[in-house]
Amino acid sequence: QKEVEQNSGPLSVPEGAIASLNCTYSDRGSQSFFWYRQYSGKSPELIMSIYSNGDKEDGRFTAQLNKASQYVSLLIRDSQPSDSATYLCAVNAGPYNNNDMRFGAGTRLTVKP
Amino acid sequence: EAGVTQFPSHSVIEKGQTVTLRCDPISGHDNLYWYRRVMGKEIKFLLHFVKESKQDESGMPNNRFLAERTGGTYSTLKVQPAELEDSGVYFCASSQRDFNYGYTFGSGTRLTVV
Repeated sequence: QKEVEQNSGPLSVPEGAIASLNCTYSDRGSQSFFWYRQYSGKSPELIMSIYSNGDKEDGRFTAQLNKASQYVSLLIRDSQPSDSATYLCAVNAGPYNNNDMRFGAGTRLTVKP
Repeated sequence: EAGVTQFPSHSVIEKGQTVTLRCDPISGHDNLYWYRRVMGKEIKFLLHFVKESKQDESGMPNNRFLAERTGGTYSTLKVQPAELEDSGVYFCASSQRDFNYGYTFGSGTRLTVV
């Protein structure tokens, strides 16, 4: 079983729609969760972090965490063509930097005009 | 604030040669990480420095890989001798000392071994 699993996609949504990206993780003790966006040929860019169960909103982005289900998701509202990228889910075993982040393989999102 | 800097951005070498990748983290970031992404696969952890000390090198694939972080500043990752399966994108990331707010990644070095 992979440590962090994501649907590889591609996920295609029309402009203005909600894009929903999902991620599950295997280590029940994980405490820090992150979403990175990676454009083709570029480095991963941190867009959201979440540490507690529930929702966290930042602009058009909402991260949702359910530790009991070992599930974290990212919702992108009013999707724009510029949101087209690969979205990486990352999980850290602890809140501090004694542990190292593990990444999913990423979900490729395409937003069609 | 300058970001994480990596160079070279691309390197093409022949099997059996040596390549050294360099990473300059964000100033003040004690934590420095190396990751690698092989085509089609997830980003894989290689190792983690705290200042000049190796905190965790469990992801290093074999003894052909040697990482150093002189004086707790920049880091180098040497591959010697390179093999075909070493091809991929090598990312460096750094983070603040304590609470994990997430890593800042460099732009990566694309290594191709032919």
